[in-house]
Amino acid sequence: SAVISQKPSRDICQRGTSLTIQCQVDSQVTMMFWYRQQPGQSLTLIATANQGSEATYESGFVIDKFPISRPNLTFSTLTVSNMSPEDSSIYLCSAGTLNTEAFFGQGTRLTVV
Amino acid sequence: AQSVTQLDSHVSVSEGTPVLLRCNYSSSYSPSLFWYVQHPNKGLQLLLKYTSAATLVKGINGFEAEFKKSETSFHLTKPSAHMSDAAEYFCVVSEVVGFQKLVFGTGTRLLVSP
Repeated sequence: SAVISQKPSRDICQRGTSLTIQCQVDSQVTMMFWYRQQPGQSLTLIATANQGSEATYESGFVIDKFPISRPNLTFSTLTVSNMSPEDSSIYLCSAGTLNTEAFFGQGTRLTVV
Repeated sequence: AQSVTQLDSHVSVSEGTPVLLRCNYSSSYSPSLFWYVQHPNKGLQLLLKYTSAATLVKGINGFEAEFKKSETSFHLTKPSAHMSDAAEYFCVVSEVVGFQKLVFGTGTRLLVSP
């Protein structure tokens, strides 16, 4: 199994600012993903973090708003840019290899005021 | 595209009675299906997964699910509910081979009363 650590675990941010969330995996993984869980809602995939290249974004999500980096096989960051109250959500990192289950971090609870 | 529909947003049971959480899926090919559980203020935990082997899948904590292709269903069951089972449950389908890119259902909140 893989253990995934996310930082910060929670934050309260002012509108118009940006927050970078870090995701660290304790072993090398093939795939890393970022999800959003809005209050009372299910999880929605934001993007696939690709090592050494641009992330692959799902419909409705764009790089300017959610820039993602993945410099190596165990680390990724998600930035939530120019935040508004609508960005208040839990952001989750997921990782795994091709034939394992997807492991999830504890999530980052973001509140934008 | 793959999708899952969880038929109940809330399910209430008494401790010691059976649990049934319903899920239907839509897939253009043989899917990989999962149930995840999310306890309050905790991360997601995999309960069980179906990957085209046995249609009856046993998971952790006494949960099991049966893949029924003819009904496109993957319902989650447990013979006897425990208070600690109270949580949010997500039925999930994998959009690609390899179990990683996941499409989540809307979730079912399980309430267990004494």
